[in-house]
Amino acid sequence: EAGVAQSPRYKIIEKRQSVAFWCNPISGHATLYWYQQILGQGPKLLIQFQNNGVVDDSQLPKDRFSAERLKGVDSTLKIQPAKLEDSAVYLCASRASYNEQFFGPGTRLTVL
Amino acid sequence: AQSVTQLGSHVSVSEGALVLLRCNYSSSVPPYLFWYVQYPNQGLQLLLKYTSAATLVKGINGFEAEFKKSETSFHLTKPSAHMSDAAEYFCAVSEGAAGNKLTFGGGTRVLVKP
Repeated sequence: EAGVAQSPRYKIIEKRQSVAFWCNPISGHATLYWYQQILGQGPKLLIQFQNNGVVDDSQLPKDRFSAERLKGVDSTLKIQPAKLEDSAVYLCASRASYNEQFFGPGTRLTVL
Repeated sequence: AQSVTQLGSHVSVSEGALVLLRCNYSSSVPPYLFWYVQYPNQGLQLLLKYTSAATLVKGINGFEAEFKKSETSFHLTKPSAHMSDAAEYFCAVSEGAAGNKLTFGGGTRVLVKP
């Protein structure tokens, strides 16, 4: 069974630029999560999707971050414009009902 | 609100020695508890989970954890450390459905000395 796929793996941008990350969850997993993991910290949930609907985006900085999950499969997370403090690893995870979350390898973002 | 505290951001052990990673949680409802491991430049991999069955949970790679409600703890142990155990370990708690909406601790980085 293929795991959660993410791209790109690494991205370096300058502040005020825009960036987008892509996630392809495990086939059949209805729930998809995006986490932000700042160096030296545990992952923090940004947004949770159930199929193509948002369940929880309470910790998403909506003035600059946006996410979508069209057709309830792949998802994209966008930052526009990026700030220095957005430097982090962005993890995508997916989950089937009553099961644990499976994580992708993450995208490491560096904002200069 | 739920929270997780991991005591010790770094732990150094000798190869063959006991590994003990501490995790305390706060939850208003019976929790589901998880330990994940993260190797460099990789995502998180589930080591084990507690979902209200047996309080002693066995996971992969020889790890186990014991749920102690009275101490609100879920410490992770491995009797004999191996060089391949060098990684970062995260304790997490979820309320409601198992595995949903995880809150993570700050992580403990394990260094294994030969």
